[in-house]
Amino acid sequence: GEDVEQSLFLSVREGDSSVINCTYTDSSSTYLYWYKQEPGAGLQLLTYIFSNMDMKQDQRLTVLLNKKDKHLSLRIADTQTGDSAIYFCAEMLDDYKLSFGAGTTVTVRA
Amino acid sequence: GAGVSQTPSNKVTEKGKYVELRCDPISGHTALYWYRQSLGQGPEFLIYFQGTGAADDSGLPNDRFFAVRPEGSVSTLKIQRTERGDSAVYLCASSWQGSNSPLHFGNGTRLTVT
Repeated sequence: GEDVEQSLFLSVREGDSSVINCTYTDSSSTYLYWYKQEPGAGLQLLTYIFSNMDMKQDQRLTVLLNKKDKHLSLRIADTQTGDSAIYFCAEMLDDYKLSFGAGTTVTVRA
Repeated sequence: GAGVSQTPSNKVTEKGKYVELRCDPISGHTALYWYRQSLGQGPEFLIYFQGTGAADDSGLPNDRFFAVRPEGSVSTLKIQRTERGDSAVYLCASSWQGSNSPLHFGNGTRLTVT
């Protein structure tokens, strides 16, 4: 199984905030990533954070990193129907290779 | 500019046949990756190219799988004697330099082996 773990499903009301959580295993990972996958499409790079940072904000997206607990989260503010997708957390191993979680399916309900 | 392009988008083949999947990376990206995604799972690493050479092919499941990148740009993933278990989405990605650079993915090739 994956070394990166995520909860499988999240349901959120339109306009609320979504929080997707992830745990990873390699404390030497230099970068951690969030990707979005819509049905039938490839992976879209959403954001990433360097391991010496605690937080990164990019418009509606906020990434929090707790390196001690190897915990990463993605918060989406004001969630919209277009945010419905599968979100993947990934850690970079050996400085070049991504290891992905199984993905969290986010469903936005009206 | 253009993103990572993969062809074909869908491929249906019979068990035992040979298939080739093509990837055109983002222009100027020296690193190229192949990943495989099975239904309900995250992508799994297959192989990493830096320029023309395969720097890490540890993810290739067996010797039926092979990939080339002869001129350091376009790459082809080749699967011999396909099996039904090879059915998956094959994703290609490229990055600017490989080391700690974000990967940019194509839309994938959905391979179905009947």
